[in-house]
Amino acid sequence: EPEVTQTPSHQVTQMGQEVILRCVPISNHLYFYWYRQILGQKVEFLVSFYNNEISEKSEIFDDQFSVERPDGSNFTLKIRSTKLEDSAMYFCASSESRNEKLFFGSGTQLSVL
Amino acid sequence: AQSVAQPEDQVNVAEGNPLTVKCTYSVSGNPYLFWYVQYPNRGLQFLLKYITGDNLVKGSYGFEAEFNKSQTSFHLKKPSALVSDSALYFCAVRDSHSGTYKYIFGTGTRLKVLA
Repeated sequence: EPEVTQTPSHQVTQMGQEVILRCVPISNHLYFYWYRQILGQKVEFLVSFYNNEISEKSEIFDDQFSVERPDGSNFTLKIRSTKLEDSAMYFCASSESRNEKLFFGSGTQLSVL
Repeated sequence: AQSVAQPEDQVNVAEGNPLTVKCTYSVSGNPYLFWYVQYPNRGLQFLLKYITGDNLVKGSYGFEAEFNKSQTSFHLKKPSALVSDSALYFCAVRDSHSGTYKYIFGTGTRLKVLA
């Protein structure tokens, strides 16, 4: 079965530093998402991306966050100046159409010190 | 606004017994409902979905779920639990009428199947 791949699997950074989390969605998928999970429990929506633009974002997704699909295959999440509370597992997901199931990557565990 | 609730943090069941993991939802329009499973250190994996049609949907690994519009529920079931079913289960909903793209996830229910 096709997979969503995410790199790195773990990222440790100092507070205030910029991080970029990378994702390669499934090749024929059109809808892309970032979610995060804190302490292995609640899964929170961050942003959805369709047709090369943000289609929806949550209150968490403030000016410190941005997303890009720079080359038609990668999908990145940038956090400009990390805070302690950004520590979480970040999941990328993609889907073929708007009502179809999401395929999730294995996640990037971000630790902000 | 859309929301989803999983009232049980953990469900324990003996191997071979039937299992139920509960989910209720709230949307303004018609719901698109999903169940996902998460194993340790892994991403969420799709189990089954309800979009329209038959209220009883069957999914992967012998799981099924019943859509109940009057009770706004979408409980996950399996007739005979396996130890390997032990994992974290998430219910998710999207409102079909609000124009939203996002899927809202419940807080998760940890299923423990005891040998």
